[in-house]
Amino acid sequence: DAGVIQSPRHEVTEMGQEVTLRCKPISGHNSLFWYRQTMMRGLELLIYFNNNVPIDDSGMPEDRFSAKMPNASFSTLKIQPSEPRDSAVYFCASSLAASGLYEQFFGPGTRLTVL
Amino acid sequence: AQSVTQLGSHVSVSEGALVLLRCNYSSSVPPYLFWYVQYPNQGLQLLLKYTTGATLVKGINGFEAEFKKSETSFHLTKPSAHMSDAAEYFCAVSDRSGGGADGLTFGKGTHLIIQP
Repeated sequence: DAGVIQSPRHEVTEMGQEVTLRCKPISGHNSLFWYRQTMMRGLELLIYFNNNVPIDDSGMPEDRFSAKMPNASFSTLKIQPSEPRDSAVYFCASSLAASGLYEQFFGPGTRLTVL
Repeated sequence: AQSVTQLGSHVSVSEGALVLLRCNYSSSVPPYLFWYVQYPNQGLQLLLKYTTGATLVKGINGFEAEFKKSETSFHLTKPSAHMSDAAEYFCAVSDRSGGGADGLTFGKGTHLIIQP
């Protein structure tokens, strides 16, 4: 299995630009999570989906952030417009909910730098 | 709301010495408990987890952790440190009411340094 795939691995953009991060979960998993990691705030849950439906987006910082999961094998996290304080590593993770295993599998992350 | 406290942002031990990384949680109901490891420029990998049953759980790479309800703790240990253990370690919790399908709440992380 290829594991959770994220693209791009690195993104450098200028303030005000739109940024789209992409995630392909492990095949067969039905839960998908977006996390953000910064030095100041550590690892934070942004949003998660079960069976492609957003369950909890209370961690999304503000309206500039949006996430979608159009099908079981793809999700996007969009920031529009981007700001320097959005610079962070964004992780996507997937799991098989109700499997009794409880493990979330993490992708390698996307390092976002907003200038 | 749940919270996780990891005591010590940096822990330094000698190679071959005991590793002890501390984790305490704050929750009215004991949550599911996890330890993850992150190597530089990589994602997180699960070391071990406690969901139910035996309170001493064994994980990969020789690590183990013990759930102590009375102390609301889930400390991570390894009898003998290896140089390859140098990494960032995160304690995390998940609410039981979600059946394991909820997102994780992470501690701030502990950077483990292994001295030769």
